[in-house]
Amino acid sequence: NAGVTQTPKFRVLKTGQSMTLLCAQDMNHEYMYWYRQDPGMGLRLIHYSVGEGTTAKGEVPDGYNVSRLKKQNFLLGLESAAPSQTSVYFCASKTPSGQLTKNIQYFGAGTRLSVL
Amino acid sequence: RKEVEQDPGPFNVPEGATVAFNCTYSNSASQSFFWYRQDCRKEPKLLMSVYSSGNEDGRFTAQLNRASQYISLLIRDSKLSDSATYLCVVNCGAGSYQLTFGKGTKLSVIP
Repeated sequence: NAGVTQTPKFRVLKTGQSMTLLCAQDMNHEYMYWYRQDPGMGLRLIHYSVGEGTTAKGEVPDGYNVSRLKKQNFLLGLESAAPSQTSVYFCASKTPSGQLTKNIQYFGAGTRLSVL
Repeated sequence: RKEVEQDPGPFNVPEGATVAFNCTYSNSASQSFFWYRQDCRKEPKLLMSVYSSGNEDGRFTAQLNRASQYISLLIRDSKLSDSATYLCVVNCGAGSYQLTFGKGTKLSVIP
């Protein structure tokens, strides 16, 4: 079972370069999320999507853009990378249940990004 | 006040010990509560949901106190494989499908 797949797994960028992180899920989930995780900061929400064609800002959206053209894919873009964007990026998708007690998110394996 | 607070640890315990983690949350309208586990350099994975009546899954017991806005996780008979960081997770408020993650408590089980 593939679940949530993130590509690439590792990337090194120079300041000012751009890149796109891809998240793909095969569970037919409506909701998808992008987080970053930094030492001592925990997971912070960057952007999220509640369905195909929709996106919304999370806690730390500046410097990132997202697109959800297909239900199974959620892309995170860095237009002009900065050293402050060095982090581990996780994508997640949520079970379709409307019950909040089943509001469970499943994560991809992460992308480790270094911006020099 | 931070939304979800946890003792960062680390907790270093011998095999077979019982260890308890605590977590407090600030949003009284939160309705869904979870413990996730994160191994070193891996993604977070759901350990268990937390229900108002308390719930148990094998050696793991979770408790929720809504009045005190407090969540706990008890691990009995610790195994080496329990070594990980445990994340307390709460939804962002009434009807919200966004989750707020605590920074995690690191557990090391020692032979």
